[in-house]
Amino acid sequence: AQSVTQLDSQVPVFEEAPVELRCNYSSSVSVYLFWYVQYPNQGLQLLLKYLSGSTLVESINGFEAEFNKSQTSFHLRKPSVHISDTAEYFCAVSDGAGGSYIPTFGRGTSLIVHP
Amino acid sequence: EADIYQTPRYLVIGTGKKITLECSQTMGHDKMYWYQQDPGMELHLIHYSYGVNSTEKGDLSSESTVSRIRTEHFPLTLESARPSHTSQYLCASSELGLAGTNTGELFFGEGSRLTVL
Repeated sequence: AQSVTQLDSQVPVFEEAPVELRCNYSSSVSVYLFWYVQYPNQGLQLLLKYLSGSTLVESINGFEAEFNKSQTSFHLRKPSVHISDTAEYFCAVSDGAGGSYIPTFGRGTSLIVHP
Repeated sequence: EADIYQTPRYLVIGTGKKITLECSQTMGHDKMYWYQQDPGMELHLIHYSYGVNSTEKGDLSSESTVSRIRTEHFPLTLESARPSHTSQYLCASSELGLAGTNTGELFFGEGSRLTVL
């Protein structure tokens, strides 16, 4: 069975500082990995995904994540955050066990950007 | 712009009432899901569907029921609401695809926040 651990429930950071949100997963088969972002009173939106190929994936708003198979991690990074990045971030993993590809989500990390 | 819609966005209701949370998507996706979200907790899968007339229970036991009569519509019903049902309910969809093309990427609605007094 797959599982996802987001090590930090809350990450406070000052504007323009770098940030890393950590995500570790467990799965016995090849996986697909996702980061979703949730702004207040909204649903989740896909931020970026790793399906195959290059282990470094990027989003359009400056976030990146690197798939590390040996460490079973998919940490999310941004070199310089903005106030508008304040949101809840969820890591998710899906695998083909049983052919379902139903993703499992972590508990989320609340990114709080201070001016 | 979201192509998956949930109504109502917010609902406050008394104990014992029957409620239905609506979810519709215009993307033609085969798979649809209902997740329950509580603060500081994982999203818990409560129901999913592979297509019309297909419904399955998820990992989290739920007293709710679902139906899938049309591809685009996946309503969730609580026959008798209780305070323990107070939560945010998120509907999502994904393409079924062929083996190798189904990744589990989900498209979410904006959620329905239910409060049972």
